[in-house]
Amino acid sequence: SQQGEEDPQALSIQEGENATMNCSYKTSINNLQWYRQNSGRGLVHLILIRSNEREKHSGRLRVTLDTSKKSSSLLITASRAADTASYFCASEYALNFGKGTSLLVTP
Amino acid sequence: EAGVAQSPRYKIIEKRQSVAFWCNPISGHATLYWYQQILGQGPKLLIQFQNNGVVDDSQLPKDRFSAERLKGVDSTLKIQPAKLEDSAVYLCASSSQTGTNEKLFFGSGTQLSVL
Repeated sequence: SQQGEEDPQALSIQEGENATMNCSYKTSINNLQWYRQNSGRGLVHLILIRSNEREKHSGRLRVTLDTSKKSSSLLITASRAADTASYFCASEYALNFGKGTSLLVTP
Repeated sequence: EAGVAQSPRYKIIEKRQSVAFWCNPISGHATLYWYQQILGQGPKLLIQFQNNGVVDDSQLPKDRFSAERLKGVDSTLKIQPAKLEDSAVYLCASSSQTGTNEKLFFGSGTQLSVL
């Protein structure tokens, strides 16, 4: 399978804490994307990082990419209850998504 | 900018019946995707169109599933006959990119229950 695999499968934190989730993939990529899915909704594109980038920021999101380890991480800083959702990674070649990381942020 | 539109939002059918889902992508988006998401799993790509041509349908169960994108705009996905294991959310997505799969925009999906 060429899908991305997210880890951990579930994460529970309190508001204000940081949340880190990881993604591993198997083939060489040109880019890696992170998506969020709120319960009962479609996925929303969060951020894209290209293979020649090591780190990228967007608001409270920070994504890193290590092509030598075929892995990426998504950091959400100062989490809010509204960040409660499932998070998925995917490359442009692997449009199948893993099971995702289910993030629960409690007030 | 209007998003990806899907209908119906919910559908309940009995096994062996047929069902169709409709998707209208964002205006101007050449690439359209259909995904199946079973409860507790990530979305699985069923078929990808670029304009009205099929790019990838390797995971589409062609004995019962069919999809078309006439005129390269909206698309329909059909299941005939449906099985219990087809119960899932069917997501449509579109992208303005051609040749690369970047920044997909998803609709809210159609939740199918097969009884």
